[in-house]
Amino acid sequence: AQSVTQLGSHVSVSEGALVLLRCNYSSSVPPYLFWYVQYPNQGLQLLLKYTTGATLVKGINGFEAEFKKSETSFHLTKPSAHMSDAAEYFCAVGGGGGNKLTFGTGTQLKVEL
Amino acid sequence: GVTQSPTHLIKTRGQQVTLRCSSQSGHNTVSWYQQALGQGPQFIFQYYREEENGRGNFPPRFSGLQFPNDSSELNVNALELDDSALYLCASSISGQVYGYTFGSGTRLTVV
Repeated sequence: AQSVTQLGSHVSVSEGALVLLRCNYSSSVPPYLFWYVQYPNQGLQLLLKYTTGATLVKGINGFEAEFKKSETSFHLTKPSAHMSDAAEYFCAVGGGGGNKLTFGTGTQLKVEL
Repeated sequence: GVTQSPTHLIKTRGQQVTLRCSSQSGHNTVSWYQQALGQGPQFIFQYYREEENGRGNFPPRFSGLQFPNDSSELNVNALELDDSALYLCASSISGQVYGYTFGSGTRLTVV
């Protein structure tokens, strides 16, 4: 079975500050890891994904995440927050030949002036 | 991309509902997820080449169909208040989770 824990259901940062959203996973097989963003009343947009290879993954809109197997983590970062980054972010795990994604409960990011 | 219809609908408890999804061209797999308010999406089931190919922890009153023309349906019978949620469709090639494309979802409200 696979599971995801997102620490912090709400995170607030100032515009221009570092964004750090935390994700820890559990998986009995090599995981595929994902970060999705969801704006109000919209579906899920893929920010970035890790499948194999380089553990530092760069995504869209300046986001990146690092797969740390020893820590079972896949935290999402962005050096400088922008007002347009305010949204809900979901970490998800899949892989091992499985046909589904298991999502965390999400982190609502608020960006303040 | 993936398109879903309708975008919103309201149903009464006990009724039946059909939600529709049009997959991305060339994708042969469709997966459905339920996202309750304040929660992450949960896997309902997946269809591959018109056959169910995996199911999450949802009762049989949730059923689906996949058609040869890249369209699919999610049917829910005997609606309950807890079925109120955003329903997301995702298409992919051969069920590969790293190639999912999500639609914008259908917001179902059961009253």
